[in-house]
Amino acid sequence: KAGVTQTPRYLIKTRGQQVTLSCSPISGHRSVSWYQQTPGQGLQFLFEYFSETQRNKGNFPGRFSGRQFSNSRSEMNVSTLELGDSALYLCASSLWAGGPTPKTDTQYFGPGTRLTVL
Amino acid sequence: AQSVAQPEDQVKVAEGNPLTVKCTYSVSGNPYLFWYVQYPNRGLQFLLKYITGDNLVKGSYGFEAEFNKSQTSFHLKKPSALVSDSALYFCAVRPSPTGYSTLTFGKGTMLLVSP
Repeated sequence: KAGVTQTPRYLIKTRGQQVTLSCSPISGHRSVSWYQQTPGQGLQFLFEYFSETQRNKGNFPGRFSGRQFSNSRSEMNVSTLELGDSALYLCASSLWAGGPTPKTDTQYFGPGTRLTVL
Repeated sequence: AQSVAQPEDQVKVAEGNPLTVKCTYSVSGNPYLFWYVQYPNRGLQFLLKYITGDNLVKGSYGFEAEFNKSQTSFHLKKPSALVSDSALYFCAVRPSPTGYSTLTFGKGTMLLVSP
């Protein structure tokens, strides 16, 4: 079974631009989460989606947004890029479908998109 | 709010020696605990998780972790380290029960295994 795929793998943008990152979950997984990884802040949660609905959101400004499609694929968008947005953006998918977390719920991560803002 | 502490930024061991990477957590209620490993320029790979039951959890690549509720710890261990185990290791927690799948991660511990 194919793993989580993320595109593109690398991006270089300039300040003020916007960017869209894409994530395709493991087949059958309907829950998708996004995390930002930086050397200073480590891994920070961005959003969580299930069945096209945002279920949880981390403490990020409104410039960060996301969505999920009916096929469970997800995109995140960052508008008005700042230098501090340079990071590895990781997508994770899981079988979890809400409610008390079942034993099967493990998040599987993609390789990430490395965003560099100049 | 939940939190995870990995007190060591770096752990150095010689190949063939046992290794321990430490993790302590703070969460209300019962925790779900996870270990992930990250190799350079790669995403996170799942190693093991504790949900309930036996305090000793066995995972991938010969790793295991011991859950200690009284010490709120979930240390990662391996009896005999390999050079290829050198990587960045993350401990993560999710409170249980929860309406979210969100993980809270520690800062990570770099494991260096020398030949």
